[in-house]
Amino acid sequence: GENVEQHPSTLSVQEGDSAVIKCTYSDSASNYFPWYKQELGKGPQLIIDIRSNVGEKKDQRIAVTLNKTAKHFSLHITETQPEDSAVYFCAASNFAYDKVIFGPGTSLSVIP
Amino acid sequence: EPEVTQTPSHQVTQMGQEVILRCVPISNHLYFYWYRQILGQKVEFLVSFYNNEISEKSEIFDDQFSVERPDGSNFTLKIRSTKLEDSAMYFCASSEKHPSWMNTEAFFGQGTRLTVV
Repeated sequence: GENVEQHPSTLSVQEGDSAVIKCTYSDSASNYFPWYKQELGKGPQLIIDIRSNVGEKKDQRIAVTLNKTAKHFSLHITETQPEDSAVYFCAASNFAYDKVIFGPGTSLSVIP
Repeated sequence: EPEVTQTPSHQVTQMGQEVILRCVPISNHLYFYWYRQILGQKVEFLVSFYNNEISEKSEIFDDQFSVERPDGSNFTLKIRSTKLEDSAMYFCASSEKHPSWMNTEAFFGQGTRLTVV
């Protein structure tokens, strides 16, 4: 089955700097890659997603890139703010199935 | 903004007891999911539910687990005889369409923390 790895497990950046989180997946049939943000005491919230027919997608300060050949995808957050502090999960899915396989998470701390 | 709501927020139960975790999905959503997150670990898929039946389940979702949509608005997860290792945060999620549709998002509830003692 699919396995999603994520690095780093913790990340501290100064406010205004960029943060990059990297993920790899194992199943070449995966074709949907969402990113979730989980704040303390809340459920995961989708922040951006990318489908396998696209190499890059951007939404304001957040961008995601996908390298299908290498089975890598990354989240880039620019001009980080303290409210970006949270746990971020990458995930992978195959539309033939309903389930989403989550990575282990990255705890991001943005230091004011 | 519509949201998925889960009750209770925290449930403590004795090993061997039955628990029912409750969820109210967003009203026009048709696909429902349960995930769990053991403390410090990744979020794991348990089951998906559509058209009043299970559409997919993981290896975790064994005979001790069941789901039900008893009244058209609630979506419940029952654990028949809880074990210590069932202690986790359980998240309910719902989506309007199947994930293969463009611009479809699964919305997660805030979770129920289950503690088995």
